[in-house]
Amino acid sequence: GAVVSQHPSWVICKSGTSVKIECRSLDFQATTMFWYRQFPKQSLMLMATSNEGSKATYEQGVEKDKFLINHASLTLSTLTVTSAHPEDSSFYICSARALAEVTDTQYFGPGTRLTVL
Amino acid sequence: AQSVTQLGSHVSVSEGALVLLRCNYSSSVPPYLFWYVQYPNQGLQLLLKYTSAATLVKGINGFEAEFKKSETSFHLTKPSAHMSDAAEYFCAVSGYGQNFVFGPGTRLSVLP
Repeated sequence: GAVVSQHPSWVICKSGTSVKIECRSLDFQATTMFWYRQFPKQSLMLMATSNEGSKATYEQGVEKDKFLINHASLTLSTLTVTSAHPEDSSFYICSARALAEVTDTQYFGPGTRLTVL
Repeated sequence: AQSVTQLGSHVSVSEGALVLLRCNYSSSVPPYLFWYVQYPNQGLQLLLKYTSAATLVKGINGFEAEFKKSETSFHLTKPSAHMSDAAEYFCAVSGYGQNFVFGPGTRLSVLP
């Protein structure tokens, strides 16, 4: 149980285009979903927290107009990187916290590798 | 505020040897503590978690960790390393609905 999927797993795009990444909790309902960014050989950096039906909370330094987050249902959150540039190339990982979970456990997706040319 | 330190960015052990990955935390509230493993180009997989029940926690793949409040530690151990254990390991702390704070990670290499 507690499976989180991400789509796509790899994406290559041209500079200036937008890319949408989907995060789904497959077998549980998620009150909260998180979006992280990970640079090579580094730890995870929290970008934003989203709760179903409300606006995402962005961490300091993260551009909310560039990284659009939508959490339309208890099983789906999307991250859209708008007007992507090479410096946005990174590994993006989502996680979900279960509705029924009281211990803050986060279940992680497999990640999406974004390369902007 | 919460924080996590992991002593040793890279640990090497021989196959069959004891694995010890260190994690120390600070937290102003009773913590929840987690260990995750990450294989190359993959997401994080939950190994085990401490949530204020038993202080010795057993996880998947033969790993276990002991919560020691007096030492503010949550070290991860495995009696006998296997080649498939080679990966990046992250310790994380949270509590009372707070966001996770991750440690910097420890890369485990297993030598034949």
